[in-house]
Amino acid sequence: EAGVAQSPRYKIIEKRQSVAFWCNPISGHATLYWYQQILGQGPKLLIQFQNNGVVDDSQLPKDRFSAERLKGVDSTLKIQPAKLEDSAVYLCASSFPLGLGSAYEQYFGPGTRLTVT
Amino acid sequence: EDKVVQSPLSLVVHEGDTVTLNCSYEVTNFRSLLWYKQEKKAPTFLFMLTSSGIEKKSGRLSSILDKKELFSILNITATQTGDSAIYLCAVEGRTSGSRLTFGEGTQLTVNP
Repeated sequence: EAGVAQSPRYKIIEKRQSVAFWCNPISGHATLYWYQQILGQGPKLLIQFQNNGVVDDSQLPKDRFSAERLKGVDSTLKIQPAKLEDSAVYLCASSFPLGLGSAYEQYFGPGTRLTVT
Repeated sequence: EDKVVQSPLSLVVHEGDTVTLNCSYEVTNFRSLLWYKQEKKAPTFLFMLTSSGIEKKSGRLSSILDKKELFSILNITATQTGDSAIYLCAVEGRTSGSRLTFGEGTQLTVNP
């Protein structure tokens, strides 16, 4: 089965610029997550979608970060404007089963490494 | 706020050694504890633990959970260079909508 796809794999931007990341989850996975992983730290959840609805965005810096999952499949995460401290790997993950079940087996994509200069 | 602390933060061993990685946690309404292996980029799932005292095994890797003392260990026997990676521990609380809270990870290096 195909895994979680993300693009781009790398992105370098200057501070105050905008950037967008794309994620395509595993087919049939209703739940999609965006994580931020700063170097030397574990991933931190930014936002969780169930189909096209937001389940948890309590740790998303909403003044600059936004995410959407139109049609309940692909998702985009945007940062506008970027700050130096946004430099990190942005991981997308998806999981099954449907509904607000356990975090059993979240499958992660390869991530996008963002460098803000 | 849920919290996960892993130790050691880094570990260097020789091939064939046995290692034990530790994970302690604080979580509201515990649901599960998960271990992931992270090489280069994407974490890959190893184990999910929900009950105390039941060991999960997969080849040379095994893990056990102690819900009374709020910790878990991950054991790797007869280590190989391919085991070199960051090992992440994460917990899920019932009130968090399946949100995972990760620890900082243990960087394991296995030298030949």
